Amino acid sequence: EDQVTQSPEALRLQEGESSSLNCSYTVSGLRGLFWYRQDPGKGPEFLFTLYSAGEEKEKERLKATLTKKESFLHITAPKPEDSATYLCAVPPDMRFGAGTRLTVKP
Amino acid sequence: ETGVTQTPRHLVMGMTNKKSLKCEQHLGHNAMYWYKQSAKKPLELMFVYNFKEQTENNSVPSRFSPECPNSSHLFLHLHTLQPEDSALYLCASSQDGASGTGGTQYFGPGTRLLVL
Repeated sequence: EDQVTQSPEALRLQEGESSSLNCSYTVSGLRGLFWYRQDPGKGPEFLFTLYSAGEEKEKERLKATLTKKESFLHITAPKPEDSATYLCAVPPDMRFGAGTRLTVKP
Repeated sequence: ETGVTQTPRHLVMGMTNKKSLKCEQHLGHNAMYWYKQSAKKPLELMFVYNFKEQTENNSVPSRFSPECPNSSHLFLHLHTLQPEDSALYLCASSQDGASGTGGTQYFGPGTRLLVL
């Protein structure tokens, strides 16, 4: 059965303290990996799609990378407004990980 | 209205009630989805509709009944729910659900459901 595992479950950072979130997966024939951000009480907001190993995408302080077994979401010099739960998902049945709850303290 | 909208945003119902959740997408997409998000659990895909046809039902109990009258609207009819059905119900849409990737999905704000 396809599995998607995210780590850590929760991460607390000081403003400006860079770090990475991990999404590891076991799927046969990867057809993309999606990253979303979810704020409390809201639906997930699309961030990135990665399709092949070695691919990287950036948006402001976020950079997503993909290997054959996992994806990383790197957060550079985070700000308090980056606090949210970050979710990854793999198709075709859009299996989501449990998410990493990020808190950035000023 | 833009994006994906859901109504109501909050719903409290008894176990014998019948209610419906509504989702509307203004993105011109052809695929729509229902997800359940419970506390401390990953998002669970419930139903998929592609060009108004249901293409997936992930072993969802029959007390949840989806309806997709057109590509822009999706309903989730609820009846005789259980307290464990209390959760955030999210609707999403994507350009095409048949490609195997599902395409990039855009989510609504969700309906917070409490079953008493």
